[in-house]
Amino acid sequence: SQKIEQNSEALNIQEGKTATLTCNYTNYSPAYLQWYRQDPGRGPVFLLLIRENEKEKRKERLKVTFDTTLKQSLFHITASQPADSATYLCALEPHDYKLSFGAGTTVTVRA
Amino acid sequence: DADVTQTPRNRITKTGKRIMLECSQTKGHDRMYWYRQDPGLGLRLIYYSFDVKDINKGEISDGYSVSRQAQAKFSLSLESAIPNQTALYFCATSDNKDRGRETQYFGPGTRLLVL
Repeated sequence: SQKIEQNSEALNIQEGKTATLTCNYTNYSPAYLQWYRQDPGRGPVFLLLIRENEKEKRKERLKVTFDTTLKQSLFHITASQPADSATYLCALEPHDYKLSFGAGTTVTVRA
Repeated sequence: DADVTQTPRNRITKTGKRIMLECSQTKGHDRMYWYRQDPGLGLRLIYYSFDVKDINKGEISDGYSVSRQAQAKFSLSLESAIPNQTALYFCATSDNKDRGRETQYFGPGTRLLVL
């Protein structure tokens, strides 16, 4: 069966450190992989998209890698700030225009 | 004003009642979606619509129905609510001409409690 797994444990890190989140998938062949941020009581907000033929994508302090051989994406937040505290969701898009979401990883950045 | 709005934001209802959740968008997108979110399970797709005349079931459509009244409006109905439909419900839109593929824009959510 198809499965998307994100870090099951919440991530607590010190301000200024790098947070690394993992998204592993099985029985998917995604054309695209996306990362979203969700704050409590709010809808998810799109952050980054990476295509299957791309290895890495950056946006400001965010970096995403995509390894289709390992079936894994890593999401890095560098120089983390308390404002980065949120739940981060990965989402896969196969070739059928629908997204499948992971359960999310909650990140807390301590000042 | 928000691009994707949902009403109501919170709703408490009783088992067996029919309720409707509404979604409106001003983004001009053709595609609209309804998801539910439960702790530890992530977002699961209930129904989606790629244009006004197109309605499709998602992975968990049993017990739900939808209506696409216009390009900007997509409603979700629970015909006879049951307690395991207690969840956070999100509407989303997308336009596959935007940024490559299927970036979705979410509403603020409706928190539903079925007693």
